[in-house]
Amino acid sequence: QKEVEQNSGPLSVPEGAIASLNCTYSDRVSQSFFWYRQYSGKSPELIMSIYSNGDKEDGRFTAQLNKASQYVSLLIRDSQPSDSATYLCAVKEDKAAGNKLTFGGGTRVLVKP
Amino acid sequence: ETGVTQTPRHLVMGMTNKKSLKCEQHLGHNAMYWYKQSAKKPLELMFVYNFKEQTENNSVPSRFSPECPNSSHLFLHLHTLQPEDSALYLCASSQGDSPEQFFGPGTRLTVL
Repeated sequence: QKEVEQNSGPLSVPEGAIASLNCTYSDRVSQSFFWYRQYSGKSPELIMSIYSNGDKEDGRFTAQLNKASQYVSLLIRDSQPSDSATYLCAVKEDKAAGNKLTFGGGTRVLVKP
Repeated sequence: ETGVTQTPRHLVMGMTNKKSLKCEQHLGHNAMYWYKQSAKKPLELMFVYNFKEQTENNSVPSRFSPECPNSSHLFLHLHTLQPEDSALYLCASSQGDSPEQFFGPGTRLTVL
């Protein structure tokens, strides 16, 4: 059973601080990794994709991937109250699995003014 | 309309009813997905269609019946559901070999 694990939170962060979210996955051959943001009552929105080891930055978001440790993280710099949401980690397995994604349970983030 | 749309947005049905959920994508994608999102549980993949062909059925009970008449439209036909089937049903689409999936707004289903 392939698994994606996230701390459910809530992760409480003061406005302007850095929010750090972690995700671990069980399948060593996983190829692609995604972070989705889901506001309460809304659908998931893709915010970051990362495919190779290292860091990838997009605006205030940085995704970090370490395939050897089977670990992917998301940093949110200068956190804003509008960043309050649940963040879902998703992992694409090996090529034979097609485009099937496995999702973690999500980390709820609360940014306090 | 842009992106991925779903109708209805909310649905309440009895256990003996038959209803259908509709999804339409305006992104030119060729793969479409149905997911179920229940409270306190991760997103669960239900079905995958590539070029109108079903390529994944994730052990979904037969009371859920998908239909994909073309690459832009996806339906989920529902019959004799159970209260535990109450959830947010999400449709998503992706293009070719790209694993990036884009979600519709979802249908909030309540089974009485």
